[in-house]
Amino acid sequence: NAGVTQTPKFQVLKTGQSMTLQCAQDMNHEYMSWYRQDPGMGLRLIHYSVGAGITDQGEVPNGYNVSRSTTEDFPLRLLSAAPSQTSVYFCASSAGTSVHNEQFFGPGTRLTVL
Amino acid sequence: GQNIDQPTEMTATEGAIVQINCTYQTSGFNGLFWYQQHAGEAPTFLSYNVLDGLEEKGRFSSFLSRSKGYSYLLLKELQMKDSASYLCAVREEAGNNRKLIWGLGTSLAVNP
Repeated sequence: NAGVTQTPKFQVLKTGQSMTLQCAQDMNHEYMSWYRQDPGMGLRLIHYSVGAGITDQGEVPNGYNVSRSTTEDFPLRLLSAAPSQTSVYFCASSAGTSVHNEQFFGPGTRLTVL
Repeated sequence: GQNIDQPTEMTATEGAIVQINCTYQTSGFNGLFWYQQHAGEAPTFLSYNVLDGLEEKGRFSSFLSRSKGYSYLLLKELQMKDSASYLCAVREEAGNNRKLIWGLGTSLAVNP
């Protein structure tokens, strides 16, 4: 099993550009989520999904969209990048339909917005 | 309100024992996780406590006291590779609203 994979590992964007961060898992997990991690802020939940076709907002959803067309994939879209979105983004998945269980994290995407 | 407190930094010596504390204030407590995160890497699961007491897993143990809103992670026989950030996360459930609240992490430096 590859576990949770994320692409790209690094990305530099200009303000106003859009892009999609990819996330995939091969563990047949129902629950998937996106976090951002910033110094002094800890991990903050952006969006999450409890299964294919179901998504919901987390703590800091503004400026981001998600979709969940399959169990395996959970892409995160930045609509119009801003410097405030410079961060490390982690995708995570867990068995079951809630955050009640151990989460498996992807390796992260380091995003810089100029 | 929701609050998780952990020390920002700790140092310890190789071979020693270190205890990392986590205190929390939440409503609807429903479990506490500890994760390890090496610099530049993703968090990885270490332990989970939902009942009071000590959970032991090899060199790592985690303790929970729900009445005191307190947990600690105990690392024994420290190795250099244990240098990492240790994240405490509390699972909160209120009605249909479930969330995981993360602490800022404790950066542990293990010195030879």
